[in-house]
Amino acid sequence: GQQLNQSPQSMFIQEGEDVSMNCTSSSIFNTWLWYKQDPGEGPVLLIALYKAGELTSNGRLTAQFGITRKDSFLNISASIPSDVGIYFCAGTPTGANSKLTFGKGITLSVRP
Amino acid sequence: GAVVSQHPSWVICKSGTSVKIECRSLDFQATTMFWYRQFPKQSLMLMATSNEGSKATYEQGVEKDKFLINHASLTLSTLTVTSAHPEDSSFYICSARNPTGRGGTEAFFGQGTRLTVV
Repeated sequence: GQQLNQSPQSMFIQEGEDVSMNCTSSSIFNTWLWYKQDPGEGPVLLIALYKAGELTSNGRLTAQFGITRKDSFLNISASIPSDVGIYFCAGTPTGANSKLTFGKGITLSVRP
Repeated sequence: GAVVSQHPSWVICKSGTSVKIECRSLDFQATTMFWYRQFPKQSLMLMATSNEGSKATYEQGVEKDKFLINHASLTLSTLTVTSAHPEDSSFYICSARNPTGRGGTEAFFGQGTRLTVV
């Protein structure tokens, strides 16, 4: 089945640094979604992307839908301690009722 | 963004009893809701797709008689873990797709339910 690849599993950065996360797929996705999950909570939608090449920002977050439709990246600029959490990419191949496929997530740690 | 409310946020039950978890979309109507299970330090594992007014679609390996799903209205889906056992202890999360949102594919998640079976 379709899989989304996220690596590394963990990232450690210094407060104030920028960080970039990548998500790749072996097949084409029509939608890319980025979520953040805090411990004991459900994932929160950060950014949704719908067109190849689309670049969308949400505050200090920027995400892009890759031209090949097989990848997406999320950038966090000027990181702060509350950016700590697990970042999941997710995608859906077709239509409005397609199931979301999730990556395994990247755990981000921010050192003060 | 859209709001999905899940209740309870945590529950402890005795082995052999049943537990019901509710998932509500508060500001939109969701014809499709999804139920996930998440183990520590792992990604979300889709259990089933809940369709309003029809039977749920279960993923391979998920027992439909064990995990009963009801989607009686456009804003409510329930997951009942029947005859719970300690191995059913997990974090259960629902999500609902907002069909009127951009692309109709944005999925919003509930807060999750931590189930502990003792």
